[in-house]
Amino acid sequence: DVKVTQSSRYLVKRTGEKVFLECVQDMDHENMFWYRQDPGLGLRLIYFSYDVKMKEKGDIPEGYSVSREKKERFSLILESASTNQTSMYLCATHSWGSNQPQHFGDGTRLSIL
Amino acid sequence: QQQVKQSPQSLIVQKGGISIINCAYENTAFDYFPWYQQFPGKGPALLIAIRPDVSEKKEGRFTISFNKSAKQFSLHIMDSQPGDSATYFCAASKPSSASKIIFGSGTRLSIRP
Repeated sequence: DVKVTQSSRYLVKRTGEKVFLECVQDMDHENMFWYRQDPGLGLRLIYFSYDVKMKEKGDIPEGYSVSREKKERFSLILESASTNQTSMYLCATHSWGSNQPQHFGDGTRLSIL
Repeated sequence: QQQVKQSPQSLIVQKGGISIINCAYENTAFDYFPWYQQFPGKGPALLIAIRPDVSEKKEGRFTISFNKSAKQFSLHIMDSQPGDSATYFCAASKPSSASKIIFGSGTRLSIRP
């Protein structure tokens, strides 16, 4: 079974802080994703990565950056957290092949005060 | 063009009834249509998926109906059970970016005993 582990289930930070959300997968999947989930808006893609040190912007990258130094680890960085970044953040992985699903972690609920 | 529109936003069904969630898309390049199920405190997980070369796919009590000409697809849950209470997301992806999935806004389904 694919295991996608997000380092924190709940996180509370203050406005202006630099925030790191970590995601680790154990299945050697090439592709990794960061989404945010908000009621009524579904899952919106922030950034994704097809390989180590490669990253591409998703639909809502503003205010975020990412890092992928190792294949199994994908980090989401909020450079200067703001209250409108309070949300549920989900990491997902995917292996090449059109019949393969994305596998999600259980999410980090981030509150910015 | 990139959107997947999902309805209803929430749905209450009596135990034993049929739950129906609808989705519509615009981009005819989409060729893979998965449904994800998300329980509280968990990440989404693939439930069932369909390709546009078939009009229906059934797995147990879950059926996807696909209407290519109308660019619509729907999830039917037969004999709905309280354990089916969850949030459901439809999604779509294109062959050129098989890893990148466009999600609908989600439907919160509650099955009343």
